[in-house]
Amino acid sequence: QQQVKQSPQSLIVQKGGISIINCAYENTAFDYFPWYQQFPGKGPALLIAIRPDVSEKKEGRFTISFNKSAKQFSLHIMDSQPGDSATYFCAPRMDSSYKLIFGSGTRLLVRP
Amino acid sequence: DTGVSQDPRHKITKRGQNVTFRCDPISEHNRLYWYRQTLGQGPEFLTYFQNEAQLEKSRLLSDRFSAERPKGSFSTLEIQRTEQGDSAMYLCASSATGYQPQHFGDGTRLSIL
Repeated sequence: QQQVKQSPQSLIVQKGGISIINCAYENTAFDYFPWYQQFPGKGPALLIAIRPDVSEKKEGRFTISFNKSAKQFSLHIMDSQPGDSATYFCAPRMDSSYKLIFGSGTRLLVRP
Repeated sequence: DTGVSQDPRHKITKRGQNVTFRCDPISEHNRLYWYRQTLGQGPEFLTYFQNEAQLEKSRLLSDRFSAERPKGSFSTLEIQRTEQGDSAMYLCASSATGYQPQHFGDGTRLSIL
């Protein structure tokens, strides 16, 4: 049962452009909605997260938009940089066990 | 930097052998999680501990897998009679409480020959 659907699978953006990654979920028992960034050979690193009582959160160039009724949330990377090239995962958290349910990932390539 | 530490970083073994991985969480984090990540996929939950108590195990965790956290600090994950399908990155994460964000280590990459 696929609880989290992430799109697109891959994304190529020019330097300075906007990168947008989407995540749709089915389970209403999620209480926290983080995005993780992963570089090759490294573990996932928390990038930004939002709680369901907020519709948008911005931290620097990164913004999460959350639509509770549509069960969707997205990551926007403004002024994308080559150093942002990585794999991004949405990973909503179960409200009982607090385990994370990861999407399948989006490979972002930012061209100079 | 006292982040989550995992050892070894890489493990190559022959099919049928037993392997053990270690995870040292961030100091005083009472929650510890194990995930498995196969190539091109997102991590999948395996199990988690609150202090020394193992509170949940995924169906992915067959009876060949066992995890411990004997004193509520470091944890070990053992795989007995390894199979080809066990080849993956094994990730450990910790959090101060269930409600706090999880911080991941850089994983142990297991390759089965």
